[in-house]
Amino acid sequence: GAVVSQHPSRVICKSGTSVKIECRSLDFQATTMFWYRQFPKQSLMLMATSNEGSKATYEQGVEKDKFLINHASLTLSTLTVTSAHPEDSSFYICRAWEPNTQYFGPGTRLTVL
Amino acid sequence: GESVGLHLPTLSVQEGDNSIINCAYSNSASDYFIWYKQESGKGPQFIIDIRSNMDKRQGQRVTVLLNKTVKHLSLQIAATQPGDSAVYFCAENRPGNTPLVFGKGTRLSVIA
Repeated sequence: GAVVSQHPSRVICKSGTSVKIECRSLDFQATTMFWYRQFPKQSLMLMATSNEGSKATYEQGVEKDKFLINHASLTLSTLTVTSAHPEDSSFYICRAWEPNTQYFGPGTRLTVL
Repeated sequence: GESVGLHLPTLSVQEGDNSIINCAYSNSASDYFIWYKQESGKGPQFIIDIRSNMDKRQGQRVTVLLNKTVKHLSLQIAATQPGDSAVYFCAENRPGNTPLVFGKGTRLSVIA
């Protein structure tokens, strides 16, 4: 079964609304969660790294006020896309990490109309 | 930082042939390497990994070769099947909980 889950798997929203994506590690405690974004026909781009109980570290060019990341527990991290716009439409993927264990989530397809 | 691949290169192979996908990595301090398979609309799926103290590792129908001298990684798929059609990414991992650094990806297309 899945080791890391994401919810929702697909979401369509109107421009200007906010969308929350959840990433859960099911069989282990993820001390670190990585969030990636992937545009069509491109590789994964790291957005941010979050350690449980700490503020996320964002990659250059990623707006921390737009992409809110919360990692309140060792099994759950959330990414909230605030005031979404069509250019935010993408495939968002989390990766849960602990020493000797790391798995990607199945991804969330976000479409902003 | 993370690699960004635009217009992924494509490798087309005949069903039953062997496939070789290549990847150059960037950091000589990387100690762990992973190959992922990503099918359309899905998250990356682990295929095989190798640590830097090895130069070859075999799995079921897949073999990963590591050449640290030239920082090169390859994935060999034996008897390629239509179900192998996907995008393949290599990733290098530096010690600790650091982000994976991804290669640009290669699209494997299997011709039946």
